[in-house]
Amino acid sequence: DSGVTQTPKHLITATGQRVTLRCSPRSGDLSVYWYQQSLDQGLQFLIQYYNGEERAKGNILERFSAQQFPDLHSELNLSSLELGDSALYFCASSVGFNSEQYFGPGTRLTVT
Amino acid sequence: DQQVKQNSPSLSVQEGRISILNCDYTNSMFDYFLWYKKYPAEGPTFLISISSIKDKNEDGRFTVFLNKSAKHLSLHIVPSQPGDSAVYFCAAIPTTSGTYKYIFGTGTRLKVLA
Repeated sequence: DSGVTQTPKHLITATGQRVTLRCSPRSGDLSVYWYQQSLDQGLQFLIQYYNGEERAKGNILERFSAQQFPDLHSELNLSSLELGDSALYFCASSVGFNSEQYFGPGTRLTVT
Repeated sequence: DQQVKQNSPSLSVQEGRISILNCDYTNSMFDYFLWYKKYPAEGPTFLISISSIKDKNEDGRFTVFLNKSAKHLSLHIVPSQPGDSAVYFCAAIPTTSGTYKYIFGTGTRLKVLA
């Protein structure tokens, strides 16, 4: 158990809908990262927050947004969902913005 | 453009033998490398890392080798155990970028046969 929690574990929704994925980092970790893993792909970095502020951005679509709240939990919002958005979404956390990351169990999103 | 490549999608090894997983990278700015292991229905877990100032790092049965001139790293598992069966991802970071923005490979599925 990494100490990073993600909810929900599974999510099934229809095209065009909007969903919110939630992540609680390990106690004491200030950085949160979001990754997407599509079928047979590696983990693609989406976005990083550090202590409430956006720190780095990767291949995140404009339809996607994220935020980190004062209690340090983070939410990833995915809107106007398409079939291709079906993937595993992982959250990771680390103590600082340049330290090793610990991953949550992921949220499996299925868009039908 | 895949900056970190794991060209072998799968590998099967007999229990007790050595498993060698390979990873190649293209970006010379990468200076810190990690290996993660992933079981089904779980998130990746950190296994071992190596800085570009070293060419080898060992932790128990796991050793990572880095060849900077060839832009190649490998993970050796000796002896391999059935519990090592998992997907292994290598990741690379340009730490001078000021953020630990991991670039992951596509993974190698290791199967250790009893």
